[in-house]
Amino acid sequence: GQSLEQPSEVTAVEGAIVQINCTYQTSGFYGLSWYQQHDGGAPTFLSYNALDGLEETGRFSSFLSRSDSYGYLLLQELQMKDSASYFCAVGDNYGQNFVFGPGTRLSVLP
Amino acid sequence: ETGVTQTPRHLVMGMTNKKSLKCEQHLGHNAMYWYKQSAKKPLELMFVYSLEERVENNSVPSRFSPECPNSSHLFLHLHTLQPEDSALYLCASRKSGTGGAYEKLFFGSGTQLSVL
Repeated sequence: GQSLEQPSEVTAVEGAIVQINCTYQTSGFYGLSWYQQHDGGAPTFLSYNALDGLEETGRFSSFLSRSDSYGYLLLQELQMKDSASYFCAVGDNYGQNFVFGPGTRLSVLP
Repeated sequence: ETGVTQTPRHLVMGMTNKKSLKCEQHLGHNAMYWYKQSAKKPLELMFVYSLEERVENNSVPSRFSPECPNSSHLFLHLHTLQPEDSALYLCASRKSGTGGAYEKLFFGSGTQLSVL
């Protein structure tokens, strides 16, 4: 079977740092991705990790530990516009399929 | 604008109707996906097409029928749906391959479907 777990909700204030965790159990593994989705909008790609370690893209960073089947998305210098749902996704079936986690709703307060 | 366009944006249909959802991508991608997004549930993979061949059919009921006439277009034909099929249907595309540059799905804005 395939399953991914994320916290359902996270709340933080502007300017703060927040970490969204993701654990996964999949039959195959071809990398961990993160997507952002604003209400009424399309999911948009944020980052991808194929190997262990930290990937940084501006205010967002993503980390992967394959031995722990664990990753996280780190958002720094939070802004109001970061309020959205964040999904982790694992590549499966030789990277053709993408299985998504349940999503974490982030609320950024002033 | 992601380069993936879905129509219609909203659709209301009765259980006996037949309708089709359309997806078009202008990115030169060769793999296309249908996902279902219900309230408080993860995105569920429905169908995957790679190079116009269906490579995944994720135990989806036969009342959903996909069609991929070419690498730029994807359809989802709907008939005799049930109220529990009401959801946001998302189309996505990517360029097939391995490595970081290929591991990115581009999503359309979705079709919000309501079945009465």
